[in-house]
Amino acid sequence: ETGVTQTPRHLVMGMTNKKSLKCEQHLGHNAMYWYKQSAKKPLELMFVYNFKEQTENNSVPSRFSPECPNSSHLFLHLHTLQPEDSALYLCASSQGTGREKLFFGSGTQLSVL
Amino acid sequence: LAKTTQPISMDSYEGQEVNITCSHNNIATNDYITWYQQFPSQGPRFIIQGYKTKVTNEVASLFIPADRKSSTLSLPRVSLSDTAVYYCLVGDENTGFQKLVFGTGTRLLVSP
Repeated sequence: ETGVTQTPRHLVMGMTNKKSLKCEQHLGHNAMYWYKQSAKKPLELMFVYNFKEQTENNSVPSRFSPECPNSSHLFLHLHTLQPEDSALYLCASSQGTGREKLFFGSGTQLSVL
Repeated sequence: LAKTTQPISMDSYEGQEVNITCSHNNIATNDYITWYQQFPSQGPRFIIQGYKTKVTNEVASLFIPADRKSSTLSLPRVSLSDTAVYYCLVGDENTGFQKLVFGTGTRLLVSP
């Protein structure tokens, strides 16, 4: 148990669906992150939030929309996804955005049909 | 920006010591070196972090030479459960989000 909880663990959606991924951290951290990990590929950093403010958007398509209502919760809203968006989506948190270690959740395995 | 290079894969047997080397020729003065471990279908887990010389914790040791252009993660007496992908990251707050970039990592397979 890392203190970072992601739901759902698995998600299957059609290309016209709208769904949301949820992440919650119980560590009192101030920074939260979304990563994408496709099969046989390295992790790709998508978004960074620090004190609820988005500080990084790594050229992510607009069909992925993050939301950070407070420092403990992070959402990733999905709409009109493509099959190539199928991947493991990982949420992480850290105390700050310096050299503090990242704590990852177990991820949401997303399949887009 | 510092970039890391690691072997794609390594094989070992139970009880052996495993050393995984990471090359980071362009490491900046303020950069730290961090290693993570990832099991299939799970998020990476922090293993160890260092700046120079040697760092040791209950899981591993990290060796960093004086020029800091490389680092070596040492796993003593590995077991089957150490089979995972190991990532080396280099950076500091000054390098922005690049410090959070995971490369391809090293896939370690431990056999009986």
